[in-house]
Amino acid sequence: GENVEQHPSTLSVQEGDSAVIKCTYSDSASNYFPWYKQELGKGPQLIIDIRSNVGEKKDQRIAVTLNKTAKHFSLHITETQPEDSAVYFCAASEKTSYDKVIFGPGTSLSVIP
Amino acid sequence: KAGVTQTPRYLIKTRGQQVTLSCSPISGHRSVSWYQQTPGQGLQFLFEYFSETQRNKGNFPGRFSGRQFSNSRSEMNVSTLELGDSALYLCASSVADRNTEAFFGQGTRLTVV
Repeated sequence: GENVEQHPSTLSVQEGDSAVIKCTYSDSASNYFPWYKQELGKGPQLIIDIRSNVGEKKDQRIAVTLNKTAKHFSLHITETQPEDSAVYFCAASEKTSYDKVIFGPGTSLSVIP
Repeated sequence: KAGVTQTPRYLIKTRGQQVTLSCSPISGHRSVSWYQQTPGQGLQFLFEYFSETQRNKGNFPGRFSGRQFSNSRSEMNVSTLELGDSALYLCASSVADRNTEAFFGQGTRLTVV
């Protein structure tokens, strides 16, 4: 089945700097890659997603890039703010009869004011 | 529009007991997925239901089971609880088309003592 790895596990950046989180996946048939943000005491919330027919997608300060050949995808957050502090999960859809989403282990991002 | 509702929010059970958790999806959402979240294992997929049928199942023992009702509400049951079952159990709903956003509830925090 699908396996998703994520690095780094923790990340601290100064407010205003950029943050980059990288993920790799194992199933070359996966075609959907969402990113979730989880704040303390809350369930994960989708922040951006990308499909395999697209190499890059941007939404304001957040961007995701996908390299299907290398089976890598990355989240880029620019101009970080303290409210960006949270745990971020990458995920990939497993190509079974009905797709299920497999999550990476998460990255705890701290933005230092 | 109401979000995904999980009840109860917190639960304490004794080893050997069983527990039932409930999830009410967003109105109009027909797919419900369950995840177990622990500090060591991250977000682990339990199972997914659509139209009262289990479509996908993760690698959990048979003590973990679920069901979905005709109104799309779902329950999961864990029998013969073990200490290692202590976790945050998250439910997510989606419209059930492939590769669409999953909306998570706040979870049920289960503690087994």
